[in-house]
Amino acid sequence: DAKTTQPPSMDCAEGRAANLPCNHSTISGNEYVYWYRQIHSQGPQYIIHGLKNNETNEMASLIITEDRKSSTLILPHATLRDTAVYYCIVRGAGNMLTFGGGTRLMVKP
Amino acid sequence: GAVVSQHPSWVICKSGTSVKIECRSLDFQATTMFWYRQFPKQSLMLMATSNEGSKATYEQGVEKDKFLINHASLTLSTLTVTSAHPEDSSFYICSARDPRTGGYSNQPQHFGDGTRLSIL
Repeated sequence: DAKTTQPPSMDCAEGRAANLPCNHSTISGNEYVYWYRQIHSQGPQYIIHGLKNNETNEMASLIITEDRKSSTLILPHATLRDTAVYYCIVRGAGNMLTFGGGTRLMVKP
Repeated sequence: GAVVSQHPSWVICKSGTSVKIECRSLDFQATTMFWYRQFPKQSLMLMATSNEGSKATYEQGVEKDKFLINHASLTLSTLTVTSAHPEDSSFYICSARDPRTGGYSNQPQHFGDGTRLSIL
């Protein structure tokens, strides 16, 4: 599976949009981009995933560039409860998720 | 939504004890479940893939005789840490792929809340 690169940490003001970037320049055609988050001392929570089209659900939006080499997870109105480590993972036909370091998002009042 | 339950959530036991952790998919059947381990301030590391009705597949460096995995039904996988020692203290997390959504390569995994294991 392709490796991803994320900034180690980001801050965001409460109520503002949080835009979390992810680079996956070696992604191949059949690999999906998945986003998970892990709040302290809990298991990871699935957020969203996509192949090449932008996706939106009740939690977030996922914007994937046309060349699929990078993506952005958008939390439209961040709250204090969105403080977590966010993982961007590229996954192919196999089942495995390989977790990198993620981005530690701190939402501040 | 998909729910994966782990039990117990916290275990403290003496060195040399064997500890069993259960992972259940509550509202879907999971032919495959995954076991991860997470040390403090580190990311999740896949330990093994648990397959219903067959042997588990272990990642390189994970001792299969140390970490026994049983996936006897479509909703239950167990991880037994045998003769646990302090270095086995960690956060153990399971996940399961939800077959109800998407195609084979398009099915999100859902995670349990983890089991914090402390060996004294």
